[in-house]
Amino acid sequence: RKEVEQDPGPFNVPEGATVAFNCTYSNSASQSFFWYRQDCRKEPKLLMSVYSSGNEDGRFTAQLNRASQYISLLIRDSKLSDSATYLCVASRGDRDDKIIFGKGTRLHILP
Amino acid sequence: NAGVTQTPKFRVLKTGQSMTLLCAQDMNHEYMYWYRQDPGMGLRLIHYSVGEGTTAKGEVPDGYNVSRLKKQNFLLGLESAAPSQTSVYFCASISPPVNTQYFGPGTRLTVL
Repeated sequence: RKEVEQDPGPFNVPEGATVAFNCTYSNSASQSFFWYRQDCRKEPKLLMSVYSSGNEDGRFTAQLNRASQYISLLIRDSKLSDSATYLCVASRGDRDDKIIFGKGTRLHILP
Repeated sequence: NAGVTQTPKFRVLKTGQSMTLLCAQDMNHEYMYWYRQDPGMGLRLIHYSVGEGTTAKGEVPDGYNVSRLKKQNFLLGLESAAPSQTSVYFCASISPPVNTQYFGPGTRLTVL
């Protein structure tokens, strides 16, 4: 089983809709979780960290479910500019942590 | 403050040639990473370093070597390039305990 797994998509969603996707991780020792956004042919950039209590940043909400070992990302009122690939990361946070990325979920927002 | 920079941005090699990719960061970060990204494969960790003078293997280290002689620089070497090493290479750095990674813009390498 891959350490971090995501549905590759693509998710085709009309503008203004709400979309959510999950990411599962296999290492129960993981302590830090992140969502990154990657635009075509560009480097990944941090979208948001994921905290145990869940966190929100504008239209974006991230949640962590430790019991089921998954994190989720919810995007409300989606914009055309949200079209990108979303990568999740689960990290142990220790010195030897390799910080493994999921393969990413492609999102297309349709006008 | 340039963040993370990578040199070169593009390169075409012939099979068997060697080259070195340079990653430089000016944020005084402790840890640095080299990834490769191929279509449908996501980011795969090649090697990483948790400090000056130390390196470790990631998921796909074969065919690559690295060195971290200075804290700000992390070099990735291909001794004898193969077509299977055609990819986009990203470098990243972090400063623990905050594990947010900052990425360079990438190097697009084609091996013919």
